[in-house]
Amino acid sequence: DIQMTQSPSTLSASVGDRVTITCRASQSISSWLAWYQQKPGKAPKLLIYKASSLETGVPSRFSGSGSGTEFTLAISSLQPDDFATYYCQQYNSYSPLTFGGGTKVEIK
Amino acid sequence: QVQLQESGPGLVKPSQTLSLTCTVSGGSISSGSYCWSWIRQPAGKGLEWIGRIFTSGSTNYNPSLRSRVTISVDTSKNQFSLKLSSVTAADTAVYYCARGRPHSFDYWGQGTLVTVSS
Repeated sequence: DIQMTQSPSTLSASVGDRVTITCRASQSISSWLAWYQQKPGKAPKLLIYKASSLETGVPSRFSGSGSGTEFTLAISSLQPDDFATYYCQQYNSYSPLTFGGGTKVEIK
Repeated sequence: QVQLQESGPGLVKPSQTLSLTCTVSGGSISSGSYCWSWIRQPAGKGLEWIGRIFTSGSTNYNPSLRSRVTISVDTSKNQFSLKLSSVTAADTAVYYCARGRPHSFDYWGQGTLVTVSS
């Protein structure tokens, strides 16, 4: 199975900060990566697919980049609604779908 | 707007079979190039993909659960289902159903907590 490692596991930031979250794959997954936001008691919400494509309706302050084994989710100016846990997910055809361990973005 | 809703028992005894159904509304489960997945999340932990089904009936399962999992679809009811056999306390989790495109999940159910306990 392809292992997905997210860092950091927790991130403390203030409203207006630019934040970045990294996701590393144990082997190349090309651009087959998605990012999700999850709030307590809620289902995950798709933010980014195919590494850098913004899902319809998601604010443009979210962006994704990377390919191969290293990927980044960036939030250009953190808003109060953005405090949540973020997960990456890989979709390689020859491996079960797997998620990263999550990054909790909390208020500094 | 597509909506998914999980249903099924919230409490299952150890060694028994967990059975959940996901009802899809706002669109036909048969339309488009989608697949239909089950994903679970133990309390305070990360997400684990269980498996998926295409409306052709083709399935893929997580190898870690393959021997215990069956996912099926009933297009006439716009539903798909999960069966997980021989459950233990380690199977206690919130279970989500989700639509795959087919590789990223754009619509999710609200999730249902299933507790395995005697």
